[in-house]
Amino acid sequence: DQQVKQNSPSLSVQEGRISILNCDYTNSMFDYFLWYKKYPAEGPTFLISISSIKDKNEDGRFTVFLNKSAKHLSLHIVPSQPGDSAVYFCAAESDNTDKLIFGTGTRLQVFP
Amino acid sequence: NAGVTQTPKFQVLKTGQSMTLQCAQDMNHNSMYWYRQDPGMGLRLIYYSASEGTTDKGEVPNGYNVSRLNKREFSLRLESAAPSQTSVYFCASRFPGQFEKLFFGSGTQLSVL
Repeated sequence: DQQVKQNSPSLSVQEGRISILNCDYTNSMFDYFLWYKKYPAEGPTFLISISSIKDKNEDGRFTVFLNKSAKHLSLHIVPSQPGDSAVYFCAAESDNTDKLIFGTGTRLQVFP
Repeated sequence: NAGVTQTPKFQVLKTGQSMTLQCAQDMNHNSMYWYRQDPGMGLRLIYYSASEGTTDKGEVPNGYNVSRLNKREFSLRLESAAPSQTSVYFCASRFPGQFEKLFFGSGTQLSVL
């Protein structure tokens, strides 16, 4: 049973526009959430994170929003650039474990 | 600075063969992890090790064994490979603590025929 889900397997966005990637989770014990980015033939790399005590965190063009009541988080990329084309994974963990649970991934394509 | 190193990068096995995937990190991390990536399934945790001498099951441990040889090395063994184990395997490591980033290796692409 997938505890972290990304319901959109792919997303296509024009350069300069906003990309919105969504993630849902089922475990109410999760209290820390992360986004990772993955290029082909490489391992995932950390992008941005958010603690459950916040509802928003920004880092440059990337903003993550957390809605705890809906068990939903989203990643906004503004403006989108061709170099953002990659697979994006959301991940979650709870304070009492040492394991990070990943979602199914969304492939983002940014076209000129 | 090598980070997390996985060997081999590619491997083809026949059903029933065994093999060990090697992982080493040079960042002095305590925690190490093995994930597999499959289309439509994302990254799923196979096993993890919070510290030298300890290992715990993740989401999909069946068919695998692990060994935390020392602080640097964490190996994943397939005793009798099955086609369902065809996947890309990633090793990762981090310092202990919830807010620590996970660092990944570049992956091992395994095909079981």
